[in-house]
Amino acid sequence: AQSVSQHNHHVILSEAASLELGCNYSYGGTVNLFWYVQYPGQHLQLLLKYFSGDPLVKGIKGFEAEFIKSKFSFNLRKPSVQWSDTAEYFCAVHSGGGADGLTFGKGTHLIIQP
Amino acid sequence: DAGVIQSPRHEVTEMGQEVTLRCKPISGHNSLFWYRQTMMRGLELLIYFNNNVPIDDSGMPEDRFSAKMPNASFSTLKIQPSEPRDSAVYFCASSFLGTPETQYFGPGTRLLVL
Repeated sequence: AQSVSQHNHHVILSEAASLELGCNYSYGGTVNLFWYVQYPGQHLQLLLKYFSGDPLVKGIKGFEAEFIKSKFSFNLRKPSVQWSDTAEYFCAVHSGGGADGLTFGKGTHLIIQP
Repeated sequence: DAGVIQSPRHEVTEMGQEVTLRCKPISGHNSLFWYRQTMMRGLELLIYFNNNVPIDDSGMPEDRFSAKMPNASFSTLKIQPSEPRDSAVYFCASSFLGTPETQYFGPGTRLLVL
């Protein structure tokens, strides 16, 4: 069964700092990869996704992620964070050939200090 | 489109009571997923339906949990009897059958069992 590991459970940054959130997955086959964001009191929203092609994926709100197949990683990055980026971030995997549900990491709680 | 609709948004109940959570998927979507979010376990897939038929319920924690989808526009997740450890946020998501990797999430139901 696939699994997703997010390395940091809590991250605190100052505004304008650069962000990188780690995500590793374990699955030997073809995968689709996602980053979701959950702002306080709100539901999950899709930030970006990777299906195939260019491994550097750009999403909404200035976020991007890079798929490195050899490392089974899909790290999320943003060059300069804002206070409004305070949220919970989830990495997720869909295996494509197996069950249709998404497998999520446990999330990273990001706090941006003004 | 209104998106995925869940009700109630918040539910507080006492241990032993029956709880019913409701979900209306996006019109035209024919796959529906129920997830549970807890601090300890993160987001987990409980069950999903394709064309109103339950496909994989291996994530349902125990017999106290049941889910139904009587038609394409409505699903319920029932807990009977409820226990304090069932306290969590329950999300419903929907997608097109051919693209299960692209799921749209509802706002969730925050359940507290006292």
